[in-house]
Amino acid sequence: RKEVEQDPGPFNVPEGATVAFNCTYSNSASQSFFWYRQDCRKEPKLLMSVYSSGNEDGRFTAQLNRASQYISLLIRDSKLSDSATYLCAVPDKYNFNKFYFGSGTKLNVKP
Amino acid sequence: EAQVTQNPRYLITVTGKKLTVTCSQNMNHEYMSWYRQDPGLGLRQIYYSMNVEVTDKGDVPEGYKVSRKEKRNFPLILESPSPNQTSLYFCASSSRTLTLAGTDTQYFGPGTRLTVL
Repeated sequence: RKEVEQDPGPFNVPEGATVAFNCTYSNSASQSFFWYRQDCRKEPKLLMSVYSSGNEDGRFTAQLNRASQYISLLIRDSKLSDSATYLCAVPDKYNFNKFYFGSGTKLNVKP
Repeated sequence: EAQVTQNPRYLITVTGKKLTVTCSQNMNHEYMSWYRQDPGLGLRQIYYSMNVEVTDKGDVPEGYKVSRKEKRNFPLILESPSPNQTSLYFCASSSRTLTLAGTDTQYFGPGTRLTVL
């Protein structure tokens, strides 16, 4: 089983819609989680860190479900500029210097 | 400007010809790491470094070497590149906070697209 798994999508949504995607992780002891945004062929950039039950930053909300071992990213009022691939990342359970990334979920926001 | 730089940005080479991809950061970060990104496989960690002269293997270290002689630089070396190392490579750095509760943000370089023929 992969350490981190994501639905590749694409998720095609109209502007203004609310969209959510999940990231499942295999290590039940994980304490920190990260959502990165990656534009086509560009470097990933940190969108949000999650260290407890969740985090919120403007239109973006990350929620952690420990019982089911997944983190979700909710985007409200989608903008065209939100179109990107969203990667989640989780440190290794024995070594916080090792990271596992999901393969990413592609979001297309359409006018 | 705080940044991570990589060179070259694009490289086409042939099997077996040794190459080095450089990575440099100007943020005085202790932690640096190399990843490769392939379609459908996401980012996979190759090597990381906790500080000068301290390096360790990531998830996919085979065929790669690294060194960390200075804090700001973390070159990736392919001694004998093969076609299966054709990929998009990213270097990243962070000011390491090694705790159970959290780790610091990783800042990524712009990427190096390598093709091995």
